Amino acid sequence: LAKTTQPISMDSYEGQEVNITCSHNNIATNDYITWYQQFPSQGPRFIIQGYKTKVTNEVASLFIPADRKSSTLSLPRVSLSDTAVYYCLVGEGNAGNMLTFGGGTRLMVKP
Amino acid sequence: NAGVTQTPKFRVLKTGQSMTLLCAQDMNHEYMYWYRQDPGMGLRLIHYSVGEGTTAKGEVPDGYNVSRLKKQNFLLGLESAAPSQTSVYFCASSYGTGGISEAFFGQGTRLTVV
Repeated sequence: LAKTTQPISMDSYEGQEVNITCSHNNIATNDYITWYQQFPSQGPRFIIQGYKTKVTNEVASLFIPADRKSSTLSLPRVSLSDTAVYYCLVGEGNAGNMLTFGGGTRLMVKP
Repeated sequence: NAGVTQTPKFRVLKTGQSMTLLCAQDMNHEYMYWYRQDPGMGLRLIHYSVGEGTTAKGEVPDGYNVSRLKKQNFLLGLESAAPSQTSVYFCASSYGTGGISEAFFGQGTRLTVV
């Protein structure tokens, strides 16, 4: 399972766009990139997943460059309720994938 | 839709006592996982299962045992609890492997060992 590196914490203000970058230099050909969000005292929640280029859903966008060695989660116009920890995971579809989490990025949105 | 349900939500144990945490999912998922999360830290995988009757060790399996006798249930056991096992425990399930399938998490079990 490819190891990931994310900033430990980030601050932002309401209404701003937030970009969280994840580095995964050892990503394998079959690996997908997945982001989860975790609020205090709750389990993580799936946000978005991608393999290459750009993926967008109602919550976020995920940008993946051609070399796939990094990815950027983009949250448009954040609000106070987006304050959470964001985890980047990289893994493949083969049986036995363990779904391991790193330390995540703690995002604090200020008024 | 119940999703993933963990029982109990809170528990206090004395050192040396044993207990079992129950995780139940109603989504017919093949994969199930048990994690622990210490204050201010990320989730660490304890054990996981890729199907009924199968289990495998994760990153921090020592001191824990698991069983997956039924597809919908994944049990985590502590045979002799230690203060170092004080943590919040999360269960998760996914249809396919975690690399490509959305995982659904329970609400957590807060365990304190005194």
